[in-house]
Formats: sequence, C-alpha cells, structure tokens
Amino acid sequence: ILNVEQSPQSLHVQEGDSTNFTCSFPSSNFYALHWYRWETAKSPEALFVMTLNGDEKKKGRISATLNTKEGYSYLYIKGSQPEDSATYLCAPGAYSGAGSYQLTFGKGTKLSVIP
Amino acid sequence: DTGVSQDPRHKITKRGQNVTFRCDPISEHNRLYWYRQTLGQGPEFLTYFQNEAQLEKSRLLSDRFSAERPKGSFSTLEIQRTEQGDSAMYLCASSLGSPSDYGYTFGSGTRLTVV
Repeated sequence: ILNVEQSPQSLHVQEGDSTNFTCSFPSSNFYALHWYRWETAKSPEALFVMTLNGDEKKKGRISATLNTKEGYSYLYIKGSQPEDSATYLCAPGAYSGAGSYQLTFGKGTKLSVIP
Repeated sequence: DTGVSQDPRHKITKRGQNVTFRCDPISEHNRLYWYRQTLGQGPEFLTYFQNEAQLEKSRLLSDRFSAERPKGSFSTLEIQRTEQGDSAMYLCASSLGSPSDYGYTFGSGTRLTVV
C-alpha cells in the first residue's frame, strides 16, 4: 500500500497568480504517476501521466514534473484563472499481483482562484 | 459517446436498505474499475473487471458489496444492508487496454448518503 501525501491541503490565490502543489510518494513500486483535476459536480479529468525520472509535461498553463528517485512530483499553474478552481489529485499507479492497474490517490489539493 | 455515465448522481437511503448503482463505460473500453471516496480522503480502489470477468476485489469490499458486469458492457455495484459508513462518492472508470499509459476515464460518480 502506497502512502501518498499532497500539500497544501487547500489553497486560495488571486487571479493571475502562479502556484504549485506537491505530491510525495514512496519512490519504489510504482509504474506511472497520474495527475487529475476534479471540479465540483464533474468527473475527474486526467491531466498528466508521467513515468520517467525528470519527466516534464505541459498542458496550456499547467505543467508537472516528476522525480522518481526521491518520490515527488510538482504541479505548476501559471497565471491562475477562476476556471482552474478544482481539487487536484495525484496518484501513483501500480500493477497488482492479479494484474489490475490500481491508482493510489492522495487526498488532493483544493485550489480556489479568487477573481 | 459522451464518456463514462453513472446513475443515479445522488442517492439517499435509510440504513439497512439495499442500493444499486449503474455504470456505463465508454463503449470500446474493456477494463472497468470502481473506486470509493469518503469524506476527506482520496478515491480508493474497490474492484476491477476485464470484460465480464471480475479479476480483483479490494479488502474494502465487504460481503455486503457485490459488483457485476454482465456481457462486458455496463456494470452494477450493489450494497446490501447499507450502513452509515457506506456514505461516500462511488466512482466508476474505464480504460481501453492498459491504463498505465493514459490513465482511466472517470464518470461523475454516485454520491450515496445513508441516513
């Protein structure tokens, strides 16, 4: 069982501010690191999947990095907008002995962007 | 195809009643997962289907829980003799092939409240 920590738990920023969150997890025994964005009343939306140490992915104003050796990932949002308000979940994924690919989620970082 | 659909969106039930939730995955997706998110926690794995076969169940899935996926299409999750501790968001996700490269596609979830 992986212990996944996300910080901060919640965050309020002004529109236009840049921000970042941290996800830490055991550095061994996972296949890929997933980031999801979950807006209220919607389904969790996949943002990034990263596997290699030093991986860096970008999607618009959002980017993420992965350090597999020390077991952490950062998510960055540049110039936050109100529509970025959501809970951001990270989850290392691993195959179980029975062959299913399971995500172990952190508790998430809840971002509120104030107009 | 509009993605993964879950029904109902909300369910309020009295303790001791049985409830059933439905998940319609993306039509060509052969893998289907159920997760549960309780208050203040990240989603936790419950069970996994590949086509119609239930290949893995979490220890979280007590004897009161049963899941099916007849014909490898939609899936149902039934909870018998509900308890207040069953109150949670139940999420369904599907994937085509290995989700380790692209992650899952989640539905919007069914929020269960047991009173």
